Amino acid sequence: AQSVTQLGSHVSVSEGALVLLRCNYSSSVPPYLFWYVQYPNQGLQLLLKYTSAATLVKGINGFEAEFKKSETSFHLTKPSAHMSDAAEYFCAVSESAPLVFGKGTRLSVIA
Amino acid sequence: DVKVTQSSRYLVKRTGEKVFLECVQDMDHENMFWYRQDPGLGLRLIYFSYDVKMKEKGDIPEGYSVSREKKERFSLILESASTNQTSMYLCASSSSTLKSWWETQYFGPGTRLLVL
Repeated sequence: AQSVTQLGSHVSVSEGALVLLRCNYSSSVPPYLFWYVQYPNQGLQLLLKYTSAATLVKGINGFEAEFKKSETSFHLTKPSAHMSDAAEYFCAVSESAPLVFGKGTRLSVIA
Repeated sequence: DVKVTQSSRYLVKRTGEKVFLECVQDMDHENMFWYRQDPGLGLRLIYFSYDVKMKEKGDIPEGYSVSREKKERFSLILESASTNQTSMYLCASSSSTLKSWWETQYFGPGTRLLVL
């Protein structure tokens, strides 16, 4: 059965520092993998997705993620955090069924 | 731009009331979804629909039903609201046919429901 685990319910970084949000998935077949972001009082919006093309996926707002099959991981990174990146981030997986979301990681950015 | 709207941002209801949450999308999407979002639990799928009048149960359908009479509208119904249904409800839609799960989902802003 498909599932995702997001390590760390809350991550805090300084402005300008590297952002690393971790996601590990479980899937019996090559999955589709997604990162969504939720800004305060808003719905979710897609940051990026992996659909079996390039393993390094670039998304909006300078974010990227790398699909590593050997590690069953799809970690989200951004080289330099901005205050506007403060939000909740959700990793999601789908193989042959609707998306299954992780529990989310809240990112705080400290000035 | 895809737009998904939800009928209310905030709703307060009493235990036992019948509650309707409405969702409308303007991009002719085939797939529509209802999730509930709770702190520490992420998003959990309640029901989804891949065509008019078609519906399938998600992970937590108990206590809920849905209706999709028109392609653009997907309604979530709480037959008899209970306090444990206090939550944020998110609607989403995605394009394409035959349950193509790789398609991007577009979300509405959410309805925060409080059941007293």
